[in-house]
Amino acid sequence: GAGVSQSPRYKVAKRGQDVALRCDPISGHVSLFWYQQALGQGPEFLTYFQNEAQLDKSGLPSDRFFAERPEGSVSTLKIQRTQQEDSAVYLCASSLLQPREQYFGPGTRLTVT
Amino acid sequence: AQTVTQSQPEMSVQEAETVTLSCTYDTSESDYYLFWYKQPPSRQMILVIRQEAYKQQNATENRFSVNFQKAAKSFSLKISDSQLGDAAMYFCVRSGNTGKLIFGQGTTLQVKP
Repeated sequence: GAGVSQSPRYKVAKRGQDVALRCDPISGHVSLFWYQQALGQGPEFLTYFQNEAQLDKSGLPSDRFFAERPEGSVSTLKIQRTQQEDSAVYLCASSLLQPREQYFGPGTRLTVT
Repeated sequence: AQTVTQSQPEMSVQEAETVTLSCTYDTSESDYYLFWYKQPPSRQMILVIRQEAYKQQNATENRFSVNFQKAAKSFSLKISDSQLGDAAMYFCVRSGNTGKLIFGQGTTLQVKP
């Protein structure tokens, strides 16, 4: 079956622009996670959804970051007024059960110029 | 802080030989999961092996096996009969509360032909 997909794969934004990153989880996966991965580092947790409910957003670095999953499937991570420090790969992962393994998408590489 | 530590930033192994990647972690939880994930240069994160903390038996998955020492909070990965396709960054990962994953800094594995 299809894995986790993310779009766009690459995004270049000018500082101050808003961006929206999309994640399509594996069909039927209840849990969805967003992570931020800086170059050469391990991913860091941003936020977690169970169905449409955002149960943990403790990793969002500022109020410029916002995530939603309105129908419990597709999720969007929005970054407002992008800054250079937002440049990273944003990974989405989904899971059928917690705290079992998560299946990752290919990521969106965001470059803020 | 509840962290995961990989003290080997880079490792190399000759093709067909065996290599062990080290990992230690910190947690106050009694039940949790540990994982090794692999991230090839294409950046798709792939699950290599999973260990449930309540199980004493070390997990194995074909050429991959772990040495799980719960009291010492140690979780190493052994790769036997290394292949060129094993070259990647390997992350030691612990499940946290709400199911989020906590990643180590990663170990880049080079496989020499």
